Amino acid sequence: DQQVKQNSPSLSVQEGRISILNCDYTNSMFDYFLWYKKYPAEGPTFLISISSIKDKNEDGRFTVFLNKSAKHLSLHIVPSQPGDSAVYFCAASYFGNEKLTFGTGTRLTIIP
Amino acid sequence: DTAVSQTPKYLVTQMGNDKSIKCEQNLGHDTMYWYKQDSKKFLKIMFSYNNKELIINETVPNRFSPKSPDKAHLNLHINSLELGDSAVYFCASSQPQGKAFFGQGTRLTVV
Repeated sequence: DQQVKQNSPSLSVQEGRISILNCDYTNSMFDYFLWYKKYPAEGPTFLISISSIKDKNEDGRFTVFLNKSAKHLSLHIVPSQPGDSAVYFCAASYFGNEKLTFGTGTRLTIIP
Repeated sequence: DTAVSQTPKYLVTQMGNDKSIKCEQNLGHDTMYWYKQDSKKFLKIMFSYNNKELIINETVPNRFSPKSPDKAHLNLHINSLELGDSAVYFCASSQPQGKAFFGQGTRLTVV
């Protein structure tokens, strides 16, 4: 049972434009959501997170939006840069259950 | 100074062998994890330890045995390796309800 889903396996965006990565979840107990970035042959690196009490969190070029009623979150990267090319994983957890449940990832390619 | 380090980075071994992967974190976190990334690139929790105590054990074959000698270390021992165990194994650590920091991964290939 895939509780966290990233329906787009890949996405290509022109450099300088906005990249939007999407994530859907099914478990209503999730109250903490994270985005990780992963380069080949490296471990996932934390990017940004959001608690369920918020609907938006911003950190530099990265903004995460949470729509609890739709059980949907998105990561916006603007402007996109070549170094942003990586696989992005959405993850979720809830209080009392510390494990992260990951989506299947979206490979983002920034075209110079 | 690496926050979460795991060794080895690559491990090639024959079916039936026993192998261990070591993990150490210097972040002072209480919780450590092992995740497995399979051939479909799906990252899934295997085990979680909090202060040397096992708190999560997903449906993992009992050939996999984690050991936490102290809260900074969580090792993974695998007995009687099978072809299907080939994957990338990631160690991670976090504080409760905090972001997890991952090691670089160990690519295990069973031949």
